[in-house]
Amino acid sequence: AQSVTQPDIHITVSEGASLELRCNYSYGATPYLFWYVQSPGQGLQLLLKYFSGDTLVQGIKGFEAEFKRSQSSFNLRKPSVHWSDAAEYFCAVGARDSSYKLIFGSGTRLLVRP
Amino acid sequence: GAVVSQHPSWVICKSGTSVKIECRSLDFQATTMFWYRQFPKQSLMLMATSNEGSKATYEQGVEKDKFLINHASLTLSTLTVTSAHPEDSSFYICSARGVSGISTDTQYFGPGTRLTVL
Repeated sequence: AQSVTQPDIHITVSEGASLELRCNYSYGATPYLFWYVQSPGQGLQLLLKYFSGDTLVQGIKGFEAEFKRSQSSFNLRKPSVHWSDAAEYFCAVGARDSSYKLIFGSGTRLLVRP
Repeated sequence: GAVVSQHPSWVICKSGTSVKIECRSLDFQATTMFWYRQFPKQSLMLMATSNEGSKATYEQGVEKDKFLINHASLTLSTLTVTSAHPEDSSFYICSARGVSGISTDTQYFGPGTRLTVL
C-alpha cells in the first residue's frame, strides 16, 4: 500500500540552527515527491518537488531536499532556520498516473526557539 | 503565478442548512481540482477529485449526497455541504492542477475555508 511516514510529530530548533525533517514513503515505483508548508489557519504552500533528474532539489525560502531511492526517503533540510519558518510541514507523494492524487504524511510541526 | 483562492475564508451556519464553498484558480486554467478536509492538528484527507465538465470522483467513505461538488469551468469548482451538522465542522482546502503554462503535475492549494456548524 502507498503511504508516507513523517516520524517526527514535533521538532524544536533554535533560530540559526540547521534543520532536517524526515520523510519516508512506500510506493510501487518512483513517485512524484513534494514538500508543502502550512502556517496556522492557512492553505499549503509548495516548498519544492522532485520528479526526476538531480536527486538534490532546491526550493523556496532556502529549503532543499534529497531523494534517496535506496532509503525511500525525501528529507527536507535547511542550513539556518529563521523564526518565520515555524509552521507545519507536510511531505507528500504523487501518483504517476492520470489521477494526480497526493498522499500526505501526518505532518511535522516545527517550533523555533529564539 | 499559480494562485488559488477560496471563498469564504470562514463561515458559521446553523445545523440543517447548506453551505457553498468556492475554489478558483486565478491565473491559470485547472483541469482538475481536489477537495480536502483537515481536522485540527491532523493531515489532509482527500475527499474528492473533480474534472471540469464531468462528475466528481469521491474517495471511499465520503458521502456524495452530503458533499456536492461542481466543476463548471476551468477556473471554478464549488463544494456544497448539504444539511450541515456539527460533525461537518472542519477546515476545507481545495487545490488545482493546471492545464498548461504551469506544472501540470503539481497541485496548488487554496488558503482554506473554516466551517463551523452550530
